[in-house]
Amino acid sequence: NAGVTQTPKFQVLKTGQSMTLQCAQDMNHNSMYWYRQDPGMGLRLIYYSASEGTTDKGEVPNGYNVSRLNKREFSLRLESAAPSQTSVYFCASSDRVYNEQFFGPGTRLTVL
Amino acid sequence: EDKVVQSPLSLVVHEGDTVTLNCSYEVTNFRSLLWYKQEKKAPTFLFMLTSSGIEKKSGRLSSILDKKELFSILNITATQTGDSAVYLCAVGDNNAGNMLTFGGGTRLMVKP
Repeated sequence: NAGVTQTPKFQVLKTGQSMTLQCAQDMNHNSMYWYRQDPGMGLRLIYYSASEGTTDKGEVPNGYNVSRLNKREFSLRLESAAPSQTSVYFCASSDRVYNEQFFGPGTRLTVL
Repeated sequence: EDKVVQSPLSLVVHEGDTVTLNCSYEVTNFRSLLWYKQEKKAPTFLFMLTSSGIEKKSGRLSSILDKKELFSILNITATQTGDSAVYLCAVGDNNAGNMLTFGGGTRLMVKP
C-alpha cells in the first residue's frame, strides 16, 4: 500500500516550457487535490477533484490545468512555466466522508 | 472566504519545555479542524477535531477545539528535538465539500 505517490521528485524548467506532474493514490479515495507550498505561505489549493470526472478551481488556479484520468490518478499541467511557479507541489487525497487528507512526498519545481 | 491564522509564526524552545500552538479560524459552515506536522517532506496527520471541549491526545501531544471562540490549541509537553517541525492547522467547511483551508503554519525548533 504505497498511499499517494508523485512523480517527478525534482524538476527544473526554463520559462515557457511545459510539463505534467503526476499523482496516483491506491487508497480508493474519491477526492484528490493539488497544492503548492511557498516559504511562509502554508499550503494553497490549486485545483481539486471531488470525485472521478469532476474538477474545480482552488485558491490559485491561474497558469495550471488538471486532469482526473481515473479514480486513482490526478495530474497537474503547467502549459507555459513562469518563475512565479517555482514551488513545492503536493498532491493529496481523501475519502469523501472524512476530511483527513493524505499527502504525497511532493515535487520540487524550479522555473528559471 | 474561509481563513485560518496560526500563531506564533515561529518558536524556539529547549528540550523538556511545554509549548502551545494556536490556530484561529473563520469558516462559513464549520465541519472539522485538523492538525498536521510537516518535517522535511509531506505533512502527516496528527488530529481531527469536530466537537468543542473534547481533548484529543496522542502521547505528548494533545489538542482541543473551542467552536464558540473559533480557535484550537495544540500542546506538546516534554518537547524533544524530534518535535522540531512546521505545524499546520486546517479547517474543513461543509459548504466547500472536501476542501481544506490551511493556515501559514508555526515553525517549532526544539534545541537540545
